[in-house]
Amino acid sequence: SAVISQKPSRDICQRGTSLTIQCQVDSQVTMMFWYRQQPGQSLTLIATANQGSEATYESGFVIDKFPISRPNLTFSTLTVSNMSPEDSSIYLCSVSIGNQPQHFGDGTRLSIL
Amino acid sequence: DAKTTQPPSMDCAEGRAANLPCNHSTISGNEYVYWYRQIHSQGPQYIIHGLKNNETNEMASLIITEDRKSSTLILPHATLRDTAVYYCIVPLSYNTDKLIFGTGTRLQVFP
Repeated sequence: SAVISQKPSRDICQRGTSLTIQCQVDSQVTMMFWYRQQPGQSLTLIATANQGSEATYESGFVIDKFPISRPNLTFSTLTVSNMSPEDSSIYLCSVSIGNQPQHFGDGTRLSIL
Repeated sequence: DAKTTQPPSMDCAEGRAANLPCNHSTISGNEYVYWYRQIHSQGPQYIIHGLKNNETNEMASLIITEDRKSSTLILPHATLRDTAVYYCIVPLSYNTDKLIFGTGTRLQVFP
Protein backbone atom coordinates (compact mmCIF):
# COMPACT_ATOMS: atom_id res chain seq x y z
CA SER A 1 0.00 0.00 0.00
CA ALA A 2 1.00 3.65 -0.41
CA VAL A 3 3.19 5.30 2.21
CA ILE A 4 1.50 8.42 3.56
CA SER A 5 3.42 11.17 5.34
CA GLN A 6 1.77 13.99 7.21
CA LYS A 7 3.50 17.14 8.40
CA PRO A 8 3.58 18.37 11.04
CA SER A 9 2.89 15.36 13.23
CA ARG A 10 1.78 17.67 16.02
CA ASP A 11 1.59 21.35 16.78
CA ILE A 12 0.43 23.77 19.44
CA CYS A 13 -1.04 26.97 18.05
CA GLN A 14 -2.48 30.21 19.32
CA ARG A 15 -6.14 30.96 18.77
CA GLY A 16 -6.85 33.11 15.75
CA THR A 17 -3.94 31.74 13.76
CA SER A 18 -4.00 29.29 10.85
CA LEU A 19 -2.05 26.10 10.25
CA THR A 20 -1.48 24.23 7.01
CA ILE A 21 -1.12 20.46 7.18
CA GLN A 22 0.59 18.58 4.39
CA CYS A 23 -0.12 15.08 3.12
CA GLN A 24 2.47 13.49 0.84
CA VAL A 25 2.08 10.06 -0.77
CA ASP A 26 4.90 8.05 -2.29
CA SER A 27 2.86 7.06 -5.33
CA GLN A 28 0.07 8.50 -7.44
CA VAL A 29 -3.34 7.95 -5.92
CA THR A 30 -6.86 8.34 -7.19
CA MET A 31 -8.55 9.83 -4.17
CA MET A 32 -7.38 11.86 -1.20
CA PHE A 33 -9.50 12.64 1.83
CA TRP A 34 -9.26 14.68 5.02
CA TYR A 35 -10.78 13.56 8.32
CA ARG A 36 -11.04 15.07 11.77
CA GLN A 37 -10.98 13.14 15.03
CA GLN A 38 -11.96 15.19 18.03
CA PRO A 39 -10.74 14.09 21.47
CA GLY A 40 -12.28 10.78 22.47
CA GLN A 41 -14.40 10.65 19.33
CA SER A 42 -14.49 8.71 16.10
CA LEU A 43 -13.39 10.01 12.71
CA THR A 44 -15.47 12.46 10.69
CA LEU A 45 -14.91 13.10 7.00
CA ILE A 46 -14.17 16.76 6.30
CA ALA A 47 -13.81 16.71 2.54
CA THR A 48 -12.59 14.96 -0.57
CA ALA A 49 -9.56 16.66 -2.10
CA ASN A 50 -10.01 16.81 -5.86
CA GLN A 51 -7.00 17.13 -8.09
CA GLY A 52 -7.14 20.34 -10.07
CA SER A 53 -10.50 21.48 -8.75
CA GLU A 54 -12.24 22.60 -5.57
CA ALA A 55 -12.61 20.10 -2.77
CA THR A 56 -15.96 18.49 -2.01
CA TYR A 57 -16.96 19.31 1.57
CA GLU A 58 -19.19 17.31 3.87
CA SER A 59 -22.08 18.84 5.76
CA GLY A 60 -20.84 21.06 8.55
CA PHE A 61 -17.50 21.89 6.94
CA VAL A 62 -16.85 24.93 4.76
CA ILE A 63 -14.06 26.04 2.50
CA ASP A 64 -13.42 29.29 4.36
CA LYS A 65 -12.60 27.38 7.54
CA PHE A 66 -10.85 24.39 5.95
CA PRO A 67 -9.34 25.35 2.60
CA ILE A 68 -7.88 22.37 0.79
CA SER A 69 -5.50 22.12 -2.12
CA ARG A 70 -4.51 19.18 -4.26
CA PRO A 71 -2.13 20.32 -6.96
CA ASN A 72 -1.19 16.83 -8.15
CA LEU A 73 -1.82 13.12 -7.61
CA THR A 74 0.56 12.73 -4.66
CA PHE A 75 0.09 15.83 -2.51
CA SER A 76 -2.63 17.70 -0.65
CA THR A 77 -2.86 20.34 2.04
CA LEU A 78 -5.51 21.16 4.60
CA THR A 79 -5.51 24.56 6.30
CA VAL A 80 -7.30 25.07 9.58
CA SER A 81 -8.13 28.77 9.61
CA ASN A 82 -8.74 31.21 12.43
CA MET A 83 -8.32 28.48 14.98
CA SER A 84 -10.17 28.24 18.27
CA PRO A 85 -9.82 25.68 21.08
CA GLU A 86 -12.71 23.72 19.53
CA ASP A 87 -10.44 22.94 16.57
CA SER A 88 -8.13 20.91 18.80
CA SER A 89 -8.24 17.52 17.11
CA ILE A 90 -6.32 14.99 15.14
CA TYR A 91 -6.48 15.69 11.42
CA LEU A 92 -5.92 12.69 9.17
CA CYS A 93 -5.26 12.25 5.50
CA SER A 94 -6.34 9.12 3.68
CA VAL A 95 -5.83 7.91 0.13
CA SER A 96 -7.14 5.26 -2.21
CA ILE A 97 -5.98 3.87 -5.54
CA GLY A 98 -8.70 2.80 -7.91
CA ASN A 99 -11.26 0.78 -5.97
CA GLN A 100 -8.78 -0.36 -3.33
CA PRO A 101 -9.53 0.35 0.36
CA GLN A 102 -8.53 3.68 1.84
CA HIS A 103 -5.29 3.89 3.76
CA PHE A 104 -4.59 6.49 6.40
CA GLY A 105 -1.67 8.55 7.55
CA ASP A 106 -0.88 8.80 11.25
CA GLY A 107 -2.43 12.22 11.53
CA THR A 108 -1.55 15.67 12.82
CA ARG A 109 -2.27 16.34 16.48
CA LEU A 110 -3.34 19.93 16.84
CA SER A 111 -3.82 21.76 20.12
CA ILE A 112 -5.12 25.31 20.26
CA LEU A 113 -4.36 27.47 23.27
CA ASP B 1 -25.21 8.14 10.42
CA ALA B 2 -23.19 4.95 10.56
CA LYS B 3 -25.05 1.93 9.18
CA THR B 4 -23.45 -0.49 11.61
CA THR B 5 -23.84 -1.43 15.27
CA GLN B 6 -20.97 -2.78 17.37
CA PRO B 7 -20.54 -3.51 21.08
CA PRO B 8 -18.63 -0.66 22.74
CA SER B 9 -16.00 -2.88 24.31
CA MET B 10 -14.69 -6.43 24.54
CA ASP B 11 -11.91 -8.26 26.35
CA CYS B 12 -9.83 -11.15 25.08
CA ALA B 13 -7.06 -13.20 26.61
CA GLU B 14 -3.75 -13.19 24.79
CA GLY B 15 -3.42 -16.19 22.48
CA ARG B 16 -7.14 -16.74 22.26
CA ALA B 17 -9.35 -15.89 19.30
CA ALA B 18 -11.03 -12.50 19.37
CA ASN B 19 -14.46 -12.50 17.72
CA LEU B 20 -15.79 -9.01 17.07
CA PRO B 21 -19.41 -8.81 15.94
CA CYS B 22 -21.05 -6.19 13.76
CA ASN B 23 -24.67 -5.71 12.86
CA HIS B 24 -25.50 -4.15 9.48
CA SER B 25 -29.13 -5.13 9.02
CA THR B 26 -29.86 -2.42 6.42
CA ILE B 27 -27.03 -3.40 4.09
CA SER B 28 -27.96 -3.56 0.43
CA GLY B 29 -26.95 -6.22 -2.04
CA ASN B 30 -23.89 -4.57 -3.50
CA GLU B 31 -22.46 -2.91 -0.38
CA TYR B 32 -19.22 -4.19 1.07
CA VAL B 33 -18.32 -4.57 4.73
CA TYR B 34 -14.97 -3.04 5.71
CA TRP B 35 -13.02 -3.44 8.93
CA TYR B 36 -10.42 -1.01 10.20
CA ARG B 37 -8.68 -0.69 13.52
CA GLN B 38 -7.06 2.23 15.27
CA ILE B 39 -4.27 1.63 17.69
CA HIS B 40 -3.65 4.46 20.11
CA SER B 41 -1.85 7.42 18.56
CA GLN B 42 -1.99 5.99 15.05
CA GLY B 43 -4.21 6.42 12.01
CA PRO B 44 -6.80 3.75 11.20
CA GLN B 45 -5.36 0.58 9.69
CA TYR B 46 -7.24 -1.35 7.02
CA ILE B 47 -7.82 -4.98 8.02
CA ILE B 48 -10.14 -6.72 5.61
CA HIS B 49 -13.33 -6.34 3.58
CA GLY B 50 -15.91 -8.59 1.99
CA LEU B 51 -19.18 -8.71 0.09
CA LYS B 52 -20.83 -12.03 0.84
CA ASN B 53 -18.17 -14.73 0.93
CA ASN B 54 -15.99 -15.28 3.93
CA GLU B 55 -12.58 -13.70 3.56
CA THR B 56 -9.21 -14.39 5.15
CA ASN B 57 -5.90 -12.59 5.00
CA GLU B 58 -2.74 -12.48 7.06
CA MET B 59 -4.37 -10.30 9.68
CA ALA B 60 -7.84 -11.71 10.20
CA SER B 61 -10.86 -13.59 8.93
CA LEU B 62 -14.21 -12.07 8.08
CA ILE B 63 -17.34 -14.16 8.42
CA ILE B 64 -20.47 -12.72 6.81
CA THR B 65 -23.84 -14.32 7.51
CA GLU B 66 -25.80 -15.68 4.60
CA ASP B 67 -28.40 -12.90 4.85
CA ARG B 68 -25.51 -10.39 5.08
CA LYS B 69 -27.12 -8.61 8.01
CA SER B 70 -24.19 -9.22 10.31
CA SER B 71 -20.55 -10.16 10.25
CA THR B 72 -17.77 -11.19 12.61
CA LEU B 73 -14.13 -10.23 12.48
CA ILE B 74 -11.91 -12.96 13.86
CA LEU B 75 -8.38 -12.41 15.10
CA PRO B 76 -7.31 -16.04 15.47
CA HIS B 77 -4.56 -15.58 18.06
CA ALA B 78 -4.87 -12.19 19.72
CA THR B 79 -1.75 -10.48 21.00
CA LEU B 80 -1.31 -7.45 23.22
CA ARG B 81 -0.56 -5.43 20.10
CA ASP B 82 -4.09 -6.12 18.86
CA THR B 83 -5.48 -3.87 21.59
CA ALA B 84 -7.26 -1.17 19.58
CA VAL B 85 -10.60 0.25 18.53
CA TYR B 86 -12.10 -1.83 15.72
CA TYR B 87 -14.45 -0.21 13.24
CA CYS B 88 -16.96 -2.03 11.03
CA ILE B 89 -17.97 0.19 8.11
CA VAL B 90 -20.45 -0.17 5.26
CA PRO B 91 -19.82 2.57 2.70
CA LEU B 92 -22.75 3.91 0.75
CA SER B 93 -23.29 1.93 -2.44
CA TYR B 94 -23.53 5.12 -4.48
CA ASN B 95 -20.42 6.60 -2.89
CA THR B 96 -18.07 3.87 -1.79
CA ASP B 97 -15.37 6.44 -1.08
CA LYS B 98 -17.28 7.85 1.84
CA LEU B 99 -16.32 5.99 5.01
CA ILE B 100 -18.61 6.77 7.92
CA PHE B 101 -16.95 5.75 11.16
CA GLY B 102 -19.17 4.74 14.05
CA THR B 103 -17.97 4.42 17.61
CA GLY B 104 -16.39 0.99 17.05
CA THR B 105 -15.47 -1.71 19.56
CA ARG B 106 -12.63 -1.13 21.97
CA LEU B 107 -10.82 -4.48 22.20
CA GLN B 108 -8.60 -4.98 25.22
CA VAL B 109 -6.26 -7.96 25.00
CA PHE B 110 -4.95 -8.97 28.41
CA PRO B 111 -2.01 -11.23 29.36
